[in-house]
Order: sequence, then C-alpha cells, then structure tokens
Amino acid sequence: GENVEQHPSTLSVQEGDSAVIKCTYSDSASNYFPWYKQELGKRPQLIIDIRSNVGEKKDQRIAVTLNKTAKHFSLHITETQPEDSAVYFCAASTPGSARQLTFGSGTQLTVLP
Amino acid sequence: GAGVSQSPRYKVAKRGQDVALRCDPISGHVSLFWYQQALGQGPEFLTYFQNEAQLDKSGLPSDRFFAERPEGSVSTLKIQRTQQEDSAVYLCASSLGGHRDSYSNQPQHFGDGTRLSIL
Repeated sequence: GENVEQHPSTLSVQEGDSAVIKCTYSDSASNYFPWYKQELGKRPQLIIDIRSNVGEKKDQRIAVTLNKTAKHFSLHITETQPEDSAVYFCAASTPGSARQLTFGSGTQLTVLP
Repeated sequence: GAGVSQSPRYKVAKRGQDVALRCDPISGHVSLFWYQQALGQGPEFLTYFQNEAQLDKSGLPSDRFFAERPEGSVSTLKIQRTQQEDSAVYLCASSLGGHRDSYSNQPQHFGDGTRLSIL
C-alpha cells in the first residue's frame, strides 16, 4: 500500500519568515495530495490540495508543489503569522481503492512572534 | 448542519466494555470514512462507506471493530470488549462523491473526533 514520509517533524520560524514542509510518497498511482492543518484538540482542516495533473497551486500565502517523477510534494507558507502555529499533515490518495487518505506523521510548526 | 458532527466528543470506558461512536456526515455526501488517530500521529484509515455499502474495511485492527451506515447517512463505529490500545481519537470524514464517479478525489471534510480513553 501507499506510504507517506513527512519531514521535518518540528519546525520553528520567526514571524514573517517562510516555512517549507516536505513529503514523499511511494505509490506512483497516487493522484491527489491534500494538506491539513490541525490545532490541538481540533479537527484536521483542509488548507490546500493538488491533483497529479498540476505541478503547483497557490492560495494567498500558501502554495503546494508536486514532482510526480520524484514522488514528492511540498507545502510552502510565506509571511508566517503566529496563528499559523499548528500541526500540518500531508496525505496521498490512490485510485482504485476507497480513495482513503494515507497521512504523513505530521509537522509541528511554531511561529515565534 | 454545516460540517461533520461526531458524538460523543469524549468517551471513557473500562477495559472490556463495548462503546459506540456516532458520525453525522455533511448532508448529501456519498462517501464516509473512519480514521484512528493515535497521540502525535497522523490519522490512519479504518473503513470506508459509499452510501450504505461498506466497500473497504481493510484498516479495522481486529474483529472487535464494527462499523455500519444502514441508511447511507449516519454511521456508527462500534468497538467490542475494548482494550487499552484502543485509546485514540476516532475521526470521521465525508466527501461528496463515490470512489469511482466523476466527483472522485473530492476533499474529505473531518469531524472533531471522539477521544476514547480505555482505563
């Protein structure tokens, strides 16, 4: 089955700096890659997603890039703010099954004021 | 309701007891997923429903775990004879389309989860 590796596990940045989180996946058939933000005790919230027919997608301060050849994708957050502090999860979905998501292990992002 | 609703939010049970966790998906969503999230980890897939049909239960850790969605809307995850290793947050997610239709790969929307603690 699919396996998703995520790093770093923790990331601290100064307010206003950029943050980058990287993920790799194992199944070349995977074609949908969402990113979720989870605050302590709260539900995972979708912040951006990308499909395999697209190499990059941007939404205000958040962007995701996908390299299908290398089987990796990255989340970029620019101009970070303290409210960006949370755990971020990448995930991959493989067709032909239930399209369940296989998640990475998460990155604890801390934005220091 | 605007989002996926789960109840109870917290459940404490003694080892050996049975528990039932409820998920109310977004109205009209065909697909429903259950995930288990251990502390400090990403969610892990348990089972998938398309309407009332349970199409994939490959993630259920043992035969003590049972899920149903009899009318294609509300779903219940039941754990029998609970063990301490069952302690986790159980998340439910729904999405608009089925796994093969034109709405496939629609975003999954999660509920707040049920935090289960087995004593």
